Amino acid sequence: AQSVAQPEDQVNVAEGNPLTVKCTYSVSGNPYLFWYVQYPNRGLQFLLKYITGDNLVKGSYGFEAEFNKSQTSFHLKKPSALVSDSALYFCAVRDLGGTALIFGKGTTLSVSS
Amino acid sequence: DAGVTQSPTHLIKTRGQHVTLRCSPISGHKSVSWYQQVLGQGPQFIFQYYEKEERGRGNFPDRFSARQFPNYSSELNVNALLLGDSALYLCASSLGGRDGYTFGSGTRLTVV
Repeated sequence: AQSVAQPEDQVNVAEGNPLTVKCTYSVSGNPYLFWYVQYPNRGLQFLLKYITGDNLVKGSYGFEAEFNKSQTSFHLKKPSALVSDSALYFCAVRDLGGTALIFGKGTTLSVSS
Repeated sequence: DAGVTQSPTHLIKTRGQHVTLRCSPISGHKSVSWYQQVLGQGPQFIFQYYEKEERGRGNFPDRFSARQFPNYSSELNVNALLLGDSALYLCASSLGGRDGYTFGSGTRLTVV
């Protein structure tokens, strides 16, 4: 069965420091991977996706993610964190049938000033 | 261009009642999906519709049903509401294929 794991419930970083939010996946075949961000009482906002091609994917708001097939990971990164980046981040993989996204449980990012 | 629109934004229902949630996809998007997000968890897939046909169904009871209209908007219906149905219900639209999914802001359903 396909699955996504986000091993950290919370990540704390200081403003200006680099941030990493971890994600590992388990799929059969080539994965379609996504990162979304959710602010309180809001829907999900798309950050970036990996379908194929370069292992480093650049997305919205200065975020990027590195696809690592051997480690089955898709970690979200940003070189310099902002307080406004504080939110709930979800990693997701598209299922084999191409109909559903399977989400991790989410990681709360807290950026302190 | 308008994003994915969901209505209502908030709803309070009593156990045993029925509810209908509505979603309008981005113009040109023919695929609509529904997700349930319980507090503290990631979204769980309920249904996907493409060109008015059901293409996928998640692990939800038959009390949950949906349909897609000729203009590609969609309704999610839940019968015989339970307290555990309280959640944020998210709608997502997509062009299909390798396209990503754009989510609406959701409908917050509270069952009392």
